[in-house]
Amino acid sequence: NAGVTQTPKFQVLKTGQSMTLQCAQDMNHNSMYWYRQDPGMGLRLIYYSASEGTTDKGEVPNGYNVSRLNKREFSLRLESAAPSQTSVYFCASSFSLRVETQYFGPGTRLLVL
Amino acid sequence: LAKTTQPISMDSYEGQEVNITCSHNNIATNDYITWYQQFPSQGPRFIIQGYKTKVTNEVASLFIPADRKSSTLSLPRVSLSDTAVYYCLVGDLAVLHTNAGKSTFGDGTTLTVKP
Repeated sequence: NAGVTQTPKFQVLKTGQSMTLQCAQDMNHNSMYWYRQDPGMGLRLIYYSASEGTTDKGEVPNGYNVSRLNKREFSLRLESAAPSQTSVYFCASSFSLRVETQYFGPGTRLLVL
Repeated sequence: LAKTTQPISMDSYEGQEVNITCSHNNIATNDYITWYQQFPSQGPRFIIQGYKTKVTNEVASLFIPADRKSSTLSLPRVSLSDTAVYYCLVGDLAVLHTNAGKSTFGDGTTLTVKP
């Protein structure tokens, strides 16, 4: 039982490049989330998925797209990376959207030059 | 969503009890209060959750007054390993509403435990 896994752990991009951050959970959770955390700041919700087949915008969705590939996997795509997207990205999951325990992955550190 | 306010930082010494207070004046009837802990370079980890009065587990206690406009996370006898950022999270239980689940992490409280 690995919990929530994220790949890659670290990535450097040039402005304008694209990439996809992968997230998978093995806890049979229905809901999944993507957050970003800028240095010294709290987490901000980018997108979430209530259940397989649904996605919705969070607080800071601009510049990102997501795909809920199946119940286990929720990917985050940056189509044209910008320096403002330099951050640590955390994926999380929970049994449902109700305020219950969210389980977080180890994070992906992204640097956009 | 209820906006939360916490102290930016707190210092303590090993063996002391630490109380971190979170203000959430606009808490709604269906909102629960959840606290997370985040160590450097790691994702947040759930500590405790409550709706009213007092909740206790093996890690911490959570005190919520009757008006629910604030809550206090209590960490008994802290050690150096409790140095972390602590987030107070207030969110709605509704499942199907479009805003459901959009819980907001604030900036958290950075707790530094000194020897």
